[in-house]
Amino acid sequence: DGGITQSPKYLFRKEGQNVTLSCEQNLNHDAMYWYRQDPGQGLRLIYYSQIVNDFQKGDIAEGYSVSREKKESFPLTVTSAQKNPTAFYLCASSPGQGIGYTFGSGTRLTVV
Amino acid sequence: GESVGLHLPTLSVQEGDNSIINCAYSNSASDYFIWYKQESGKGPQFIIDIRSNMDKRQGQRVTVLLNKTVKHLSLQIAATQPGDSAVYFCAENFLGNYGQNFVFGPGTRLSVLP
Repeated sequence: DGGITQSPKYLFRKEGQNVTLSCEQNLNHDAMYWYRQDPGQGLRLIYYSQIVNDFQKGDIAEGYSVSREKKESFPLTVTSAQKNPTAFYLCASSPGQGIGYTFGSGTRLTVV
Repeated sequence: GESVGLHLPTLSVQEGDNSIINCAYSNSASDYFIWYKQESGKGPQFIIDIRSNMDKRQGQRVTVLLNKTVKHLSLQIAATQPGDSAVYFCAENFLGNYGQNFVFGPGTRLSVLP
């Protein structure tokens, strides 16, 4: 079955530590996205990529980094510069702009 | 479960009743809209979409209504079932700072009472 897979489901980060969230899709979608979800708020765009080897900052990119070396993969690194990283992170993919997203099941990141 | 939507508006309905969930969107230039359903601990799932040249679209047990005059979208769920309990949010698509991307509303929590 085609889909988008995020791992791990739960992740714990110590102060000052970088962590990487995985996102893999086998839908052959060109575009991939990372969103952050906080209670009571809409999804906020962190980074997006419309094509391999290219990505753009979203509304809240500070403290995050991404790479897009393969079409299937769009990992997100939460760096120590992100002061409030505890949130639910969602990865999505789309065949192209203006077309509905397929979401992964999310990663819950908690700072300990 | 996941703590998404802790402070969201909540709609409580009796099992078997119809539910109406509302969304006010922000951009009059938005030309495509999607309703998503998000269950606790899971990613959002596509329910139904509608383009701006339509004012109504029906799916299985769901209907989306679009009122462009007041920038309002609604999702109607017929004969609400316990499995419908989730957070529902709308997404609007327009050409903005990040190209033709979607902007998501905060959502409404639907609670189905037995």
